[in-house]
Amino acid sequence: GQNIDQPTEMTATEGAIVQINCTYQTSGFNGLFWYQQHAGEAPTFLSYNVLDGLEEKGRFSSFLSRSKGYSYLLLKELQMKDSASYLCAIWAGNQFYFGTGTSLTVIP
Amino acid sequence: ETGVTQSPTHLIKTRGQQVTLRCSSQSGHNTVSWYQQALGQGPQFIFQYYREEENGRGNFPPRFSGLQFPNYSSELNVNALELDDSALYLCASRQPGQGDYGYTFGSGTRLTVV
Repeated sequence: GQNIDQPTEMTATEGAIVQINCTYQTSGFNGLFWYQQHAGEAPTFLSYNVLDGLEEKGRFSSFLSRSKGYSYLLLKELQMKDSASYLCAIWAGNQFYFGTGTSLTVIP
Repeated sequence: ETGVTQSPTHLIKTRGQQVTLRCSSQSGHNTVSWYQQALGQGPQFIFQYYREEENGRGNFPPRFSGLQFPNYSSELNVNALELDDSALYLCASRQPGQGDYGYTFGSGTRLTVV
């Protein structure tokens, strides 16, 4: 296994910034992904890191440090619709290895 | 609309029965993967098909099997259902030439085994 760990639940306020962390233990992988999944819906692709550093896509940014086995997803200007589960996943050997997901609740 | 359609959306089966879940991918998506997502967990890889042949398998027993068809549809078959098979089953597909980020997931089939 890839031992991918994420916090189970987080709560943040509308308009704020939230950082969702992901740590992993693996010998090698092609890329680290972040997906958003609303209840009963398909996971949708948010961001993708291959190299160390920050990838920014609008309100969403993702950071990777391979040497530290660490990634985070940063969500800015939170909206109520951002309430969802956020899945950290490693792509290795032609498959995704997912964490258990972080359930984010955005409150007014 | 994600372009990947799964059917049925919900299904209830009895322990010991067999079930077939279906996935219809976009034209040209010749790689399809299936994942099992138990409640409160992340998706777990079952297997992948490329050009109608299995080319990768996760830690699932042989009673989980699949097929991929020339029209870009695929099936997941589960025999001798067990209570622990209750989960959301997701398929994901991509076109040739797309990177690892090119997978599109379907909304899943919620299977309940009683």
